[in-house]
Amino acid sequence: DAGITQSPRHKVTETGTPVTLRCHQTENHRYMYWYRQDPGHGLRLIHYSYGVKDTDKGEVSDGYSVSRSKTEDFLLTLESATSSQTSVYFCATRRGETTEAFFGQGTRLTVV
Amino acid sequence: QQQVKQSPQSLIVQKGGISIINCAYENTAFDYFPWYQQFPGKGPALLIAIRPDVSEKKEGRFTISFNKSAKQFSLHIMDSQPGDSATYFCAALRFSGNQFYFGTGTSLTVIP
Repeated sequence: DAGITQSPRHKVTETGTPVTLRCHQTENHRYMYWYRQDPGHGLRLIHYSYGVKDTDKGEVSDGYSVSRSKTEDFLLTLESATSSQTSVYFCATRRGETTEAFFGQGTRLTVV
Repeated sequence: QQQVKQSPQSLIVQKGGISIINCAYENTAFDYFPWYQQFPGKGPALLIAIRPDVSEKKEGRFTISFNKSAKQFSLHIMDSQPGDSATYFCAALRFSGNQFYFGTGTSLTVIP
């Protein structure tokens, strides 16, 4: 366990509302990632960060934004939630000099 | 474009049997090929990993076979147990890059 905490763990929200998911790590890892997991699609990268204030898009970034103002926190924001963003969201971290990725427990988001 | 293709999508094996999951990739620049195991309600966790200069890696009942010329690698679970029932993801990473590319996952069920 790499000390990754995702919050909230479960959330139900209405279409059109903004939602922010938080990932907090205690290991001082350089890299942080946000994935979404959907049946038949596996883990798809939304955004990632390679340092404080350094972020880049993944393959499914539309409708999402991220921020990393501190090493330990990586926020994922759904600017205006849609039903297609109903999913399980995972945060992951990776220390720069190693290759293993550590995952959080996930956040189940339902957009109604 | 799926960078890593995984099959089968689901697999049912009798206790004591061999489970085999296959992955294929296109980018010859990948440097590292991990397998992740995910139990229901949990985040994925690293199971075993291999680098392309090695053809096989074994850890207990889990073996990765790597075929560089065919750009394929597979996970073999010997003497499969009900406790191995989980979703398995293969992945690939380029050391000079920042992100993992995951397969779509295989749901393994081991029947007692």
